[in-house]
Amino acid sequence: AQSVTQLGSHVSVSEGALVLLRCNYSSSVPPYLFWYVQYPNQGLQLLLKYTSAATLVKGINGFEAEFKKSETSFHLTKPSAHMSDAAEYFCAVSSTGNQFYFGTGTSLTVIP
Amino acid sequence: NAGVTQTPKFRILKIGQSMTLQCTQDMNHNYMYWYRQDPGMGLKLIYYSVGAGITDKGEVPNGYNVSRSTTEDFPLRLELAAPSQTSVYFCASSGQGSTGNTIYFGEGSWLTVV
Repeated sequence: AQSVTQLGSHVSVSEGALVLLRCNYSSSVPPYLFWYVQYPNQGLQLLLKYTSAATLVKGINGFEAEFKKSETSFHLTKPSAHMSDAAEYFCAVSSTGNQFYFGTGTSLTVIP
Repeated sequence: NAGVTQTPKFRILKIGQSMTLQCTQDMNHNYMYWYRQDPGMGLKLIYYSVGAGITDKGEVPNGYNVSRSTTEDFPLRLELAAPSQTSVYFCASSGQGSTGNTIYFGEGSWLTVV
């Protein structure tokens, strides 16, 4: 069985501060891992994807995530938060069969 | 590059009415999905399809029906709408190959049942 846990349903950071959104997964087989971002009243769009090519994955808008197998984690980071980063972020896991499992989301607030 | 297109964007239904949410994708993906999103609850899978003519239930299928007559289209039917079906609905698709195992979402349909 696969599942995703996102620690912290709400995260607030100051503009310019480090963004760290946590994601832990469980998977019985090597997984694909994803981060999606959802801006208000919009659909989910892909931020980045891990497919085993490299453990550090760079995505759009300056975000990156590191796959740590020993910790079963795939935390999302950005060195310096921008006001435009305020959104809902979803971590997801998939393996074979195109079944996707999503976390419950983390709402990021950026304080000016 | 349309991707996944769903209509309508917004709809208000009266209790007991029926409607169909339309979804089409132009990426030739075999897999298609319908999710609903409620505040603080993440995404719940309603139905999914692994190819034309094949559909299966997800976590929360009650009150909904789907069909998949073509690769491109995956409409979601709400029969006898209830207030509990007030939600945001997302259609999605995924495929394999050069894009890997990635799921792509439509822009969402906001449904209110009154």
